[in-house]
Amino acid sequence: SAVISQKPSRDICQRGTSLTIQCQVDSQVTMMFWYRQQPGQSLTLIATANQGSEATYESGFVIDKFPISRPNLTFSTLTVSNMSPEDSSIYLCSVGGTSGSHEQFFGPGTRLTVL
Amino acid sequence: GQNIDQPTEMTATEGAIVQINCTYQTSGFNGLFWYQQHAGEAPTFLSYNVLDGLEEKGRFSSFLSRSKGYSYLLLKELQMKDSASYLCAVKDSNYQLIWGAGTKLIIKP
Repeated sequence: SAVISQKPSRDICQRGTSLTIQCQVDSQVTMMFWYRQQPGQSLTLIATANQGSEATYESGFVIDKFPISRPNLTFSTLTVSNMSPEDSSIYLCSVGGTSGSHEQFFGPGTRLTVL
Repeated sequence: GQNIDQPTEMTATEGAIVQINCTYQTSGFNGLFWYQQHAGEAPTFLSYNVLDGLEEKGRFSSFLSRSKGYSYLLLKELQMKDSASYLCAVKDSNYQLIWGAGTKLIIKP
């Protein structure tokens, strides 16, 4: 299994500002995933972060709005830039299981409120 | 397009059995997952099905029919702590997880 921590756990931000969310994993993983989950909604994949290469963004998400860093195999950051109230959501970091495991593990999430 | 359908909300009684259905239409299939998510918490893995049939794990069982694009999660001997959202997800041909909106399960005493 993988233990994932995220910082901050929650934040309240002003419109137009940016917030960087950190994700730390207790083991080395190739791919890390960033999801958004709006209240009562499903998980939406924002991007896949690979160490040593540019993140791969899903349709509807762009690097200028959600820049991602992946400096090593245990850490990643997601920045939510120029925030608006529509960005209020829970942001989740996730990693796949070890080889042979199909399970995907999730961090505790960052609850973001934009005023 | 890709689509995962599951009921929005279900209610059941403590000690009873409940079945949560999931139907999917995806480009390819590389497994179906069920996750449990308590309010304010991250999803946690419950089960994985890639072949047709029933997988049993304690009080929880998951069934898959690939020909019908259908799965269900069966919860027996319901406990109050089972009140949560249950998310169905399918890995498509690109091994990307496609998530359903989740079923909120309410357990009443």
